[in-house]
Amino acid sequence: GEDVEQSLFLSVREGDSSVINCTYTDSSSTYLYWYKQEPGAGLQLLTYIFSNMDMKQDQRLTVLLNKKDKHLSLRIADTQTGDSAIYFCAESMEGNYGGSQGNLIFGKGTKLSVKP
Amino acid sequence: DAGVIQSPRHEVTEMGQEVTLRCKPISGHDYLFWYRQTMMRGLELLIYFNNNVPIDDSGMPEDRFSAKMPNASFSTLKIQPSEPRDSAVYFCASSLRRARAFFGQGTRLTVV
Repeated sequence: GEDVEQSLFLSVREGDSSVINCTYTDSSSTYLYWYKQEPGAGLQLLTYIFSNMDMKQDQRLTVLLNKKDKHLSLRIADTQTGDSAIYFCAESMEGNYGGSQGNLIFGKGTKLSVKP
Repeated sequence: DAGVIQSPRHEVTEMGQEVTLRCKPISGHDYLFWYRQTMMRGLELLIYFNNNVPIDDSGMPEDRFSAKMPNASFSTLKIQPSEPRDSAVYFCASSLRRARAFFGQGTRLTVV
């Protein structure tokens, strides 16, 4: 079955690095995503990684994928108070014609609190 | 592009009433998704469309829920009759093939 799991809470101090972890169960997952949700807002796509990659870096964000352990992490360097939000990990599988099948399976989200 | 547009942003209705949520996807996107978010269950996929055709509605909780996509630029999610347990935030999202889904701001539904 499909399941995506994340820890529910993470608290860090401003300026430190944050690492948010996620595990998934479906080995056929092809795309893995990180979304950010600020209070009262929709989900904003932060970054994504294809399953044939180990790492992706985008400014302060680093995504690491361990496909063998089905473990995905998001590292935020120099965490700021504006990074306080809920971060969702999501997976999707490849569709018949390439690209994604379309539907995303989300974890329950990790609430990141950044203390000044 | 203005992004995915949902309306209304907030809806308060009485139990038993019909509720219609609306979504305008990003122009050119060929996938449209309806999700529901609650504290207890997190984000759940209700239904998704590809090129206006419903592909998977297995997440629709009951027959009280229905969704339509009459054209590429509009979709509705209807609940009839509504119940208090339907209270949640409903998100619409759209994507172009490779599922970098873009979400709307959501509709917060409260059924009293």
